[in-house]
Amino acid sequence: NAGVTQTPKFQVLKTGQSMTLQCAQDMNHNSMYWYRQDPGMGLRLIYYSASEGTTDKGEVPNGYNVSRLNKREFSLRLESAAPSQTSVYFCASSELGLRAGGAYTQYFGPGTRLTVL
Amino acid sequence: AQSVAQPEDQVNVAEGNPLTVKCTYSVSGNPYLFWYVQYPNRGLQFLLKYITGDNLVKGSYGFEAEFNKSQTSFHLKKPSALVSDSALYFCAVRDKGGATNKLIFGTGTLLAVQP
Repeated sequence: NAGVTQTPKFQVLKTGQSMTLQCAQDMNHNSMYWYRQDPGMGLRLIYYSASEGTTDKGEVPNGYNVSRLNKREFSLRLESAAPSQTSVYFCASSELGLRAGGAYTQYFGPGTRLTVL
Repeated sequence: AQSVAQPEDQVNVAEGNPLTVKCTYSVSGNPYLFWYVQYPNRGLQFLLKYITGDNLVKGSYGFEAEFNKSQTSFHLKKPSALVSDSALYFCAVRDKGGATNKLIFGTGTLLAVQP
């Protein structure tokens, strides 16, 4: 099992450009998440999808959109990139609730390092 | 409001010595608590969790954590540190606001183990 995969690994954008970060998981998890990691701020939740067909805003959703394409895939889109969106982006997945002993444990992808000039 | 705090930005320890990385939480009711580790340029890896039961939880790579309800703490410990333990450690608590699996993360503690 590959677990959680993310593409691309690195990306440089100019202000105003758009891009989509891709995430896929092969653990048959119901829930998926997008975080950003900035120095001294830990991980902040951008959007999440509790189950296929639903998406909700997290702590810092402004400037982002998401699509839960199917149970495996959850993409994050930056419509008009800004320098403040320079960050490392992580996707994660988890089982929903206490089923299968998952007990809310989230599993993370390797991250995408995004620089906006 | 629910929150988790990691009071130390960095912890320095000599190889072979015991290590402790501190975490305190604020959440109503019984907490679900987690520790994750992040090696340089990598994603977060799950180390251990407390859901219920024994207050001492054992996890990966020889780490353990002690849940203390009266002190609202969940400190990460290891009896003998290795240089390879040097990494960024995150404590997290399940966000109980709704029927989701959202986690609230601390700001992280950088563990530096000197040879």
